[in-house]
Amino acid sequence: SAVISQKPSRDICQRGTSLTIQCQVDSQVTMMFWYRQQPGQSLTLIATANQGSEATYESGFVIDKFPISRPNLTFSTLTVSNMSPEDSSIYLCSVEGEALGGGSPGELFFGEGSRLTVL
Amino acid sequence: QQPVQSPQAVILREGEDAVINCSSSKALYSVHWYRQKHGEAPVFLMILLKGGEQKGHDKISASFNEKKQQSSLYLTASQLSYSGTYFCGTEKRVGDKVIFGPGTSLSVIP
Repeated sequence: SAVISQKPSRDICQRGTSLTIQCQVDSQVTMMFWYRQQPGQSLTLIATANQGSEATYESGFVIDKFPISRPNLTFSTLTVSNMSPEDSSIYLCSVEGEALGGGSPGELFFGEGSRLTVL
Repeated sequence: QQPVQSPQAVILREGEDAVINCSSSKALYSVHWYRQKHGEAPVFLMILLKGGEQKGHDKISASFNEKKQQSSLYLTASQLSYSGTYFCGTEKRVGDKVIFGPGTSLSVIP
């Protein structure tokens, strides 16, 4: 199965600052997904990051707030900009298992998540 | 549109059975099931495609009734390791994004 590494694993941030989360996959993948999981809540897709093109954002998420980079097929970053306490969440990076050659069709592999607390 | 899950939470004793339900108001192509233990990443359990599938491994199985737009996850003879939050995810079409339900917290106690 895939190894998906995220950094930082957790951080405490001040209101108004920005933080960049890194996601590294041990295989080349076309699509990487960024999810948000607010405390005690479900997983909400923020955007899909394709290498070589602009990320596709879901309703309610905008590029100015969550800029994403995808410089190559194994790496992506998500920045949470101008943070407020409402941004306190776990942010998860995900890839399709089938793209890794080992997962079932439709299976998603998730990183361990980055837990952000905004004061 | 987010699928609905029931129950919200359930507590079981080891060896007992549980059923978690997932339903959607929209026609579905597939239903996914994931388990997330506290502080860990969600882990894929299985995916069911339209066609009335039933799947299972070990003592965890699931069914998908596409006409009713419902899926059920069955956990039999529960073990302590089954504790966690179970999420269903639904796809309306092939290649569509997966929308996750609110989750069902399952606690298995000795």
